[in-house]
Amino acid sequence: EAGVTQSPTHLIKTRGQQATLRCSPISGHTSVYWYQQALGLGLQFLLWYDEGEERNRGNFPPRFSGRQFPNYSSELNVNALELEDSALYLCASSLGGGGQTILSGNTIYFGEGSWLTVV
Amino acid sequence: DAKTTQPPSMDCAEGRAANLPCNHSTISGNEYVYWYRQIHSQGPQYIIHGLKNNETNEMASLIITEDRKSSTLILPHATLRDTAVYYCIVRATYNAGNMLTFGGGTRLMVKP
Repeated sequence: EAGVTQSPTHLIKTRGQQATLRCSPISGHTSVYWYQQALGLGLQFLLWYDEGEERNRGNFPPRFSGRQFPNYSSELNVNALELEDSALYLCASSLGGGGQTILSGNTIYFGEGSWLTVV
Repeated sequence: DAKTTQPPSMDCAEGRAANLPCNHSTISGNEYVYWYRQIHSQGPQYIIHGLKNNETNEMASLIITEDRKSSTLILPHATLRDTAVYYCIVRATYNAGNMLTFGGGTRLMVKP
């Protein structure tokens, strides 16, 4: 069974440009999460999508946005790139809530990430 | 979500059990404890999680104290490939955002 897949593996952009990162969750998973890990820093939560809707957002400016498609894949868009946006962007997935409130016992599995370099 | 406290680093001899402690004194009754590890520049790898009972899988064992204020991850026979940063996380409930909040973790160095 395929794990969480992300593309591209590496991306180089110029300051001010836009970057788009893509994620395919594990088959059957409806929740997708995005994290940022800047070099030497910890993982910071960015976004959580469940069944097509944004459910939670971390402390990031609005130029970080994303969406989840009907097939539950997701993309993260970063507009007006700044040098400090250079980081490893990690996508993760889990079974979703099915529209109901559940305990958070559905394991979250991570992909290998996309490296974004802003020059 | 509850915060966790872990020692910043630990050493372990190859072949020995590695016992990684974690304090989560403000955990609430329906919050799970998760353990992940990250090997340099790779995506975090899920290890194990639990709510109240001790858990064991092919990778590790998780011991949670009765009051749930602390836990220990046990790698029974550490190998050099277990060298990584280990994160103990108390996951937010679904209504509170459902996410994993990563702290600094414990850098485990397994030595020959």
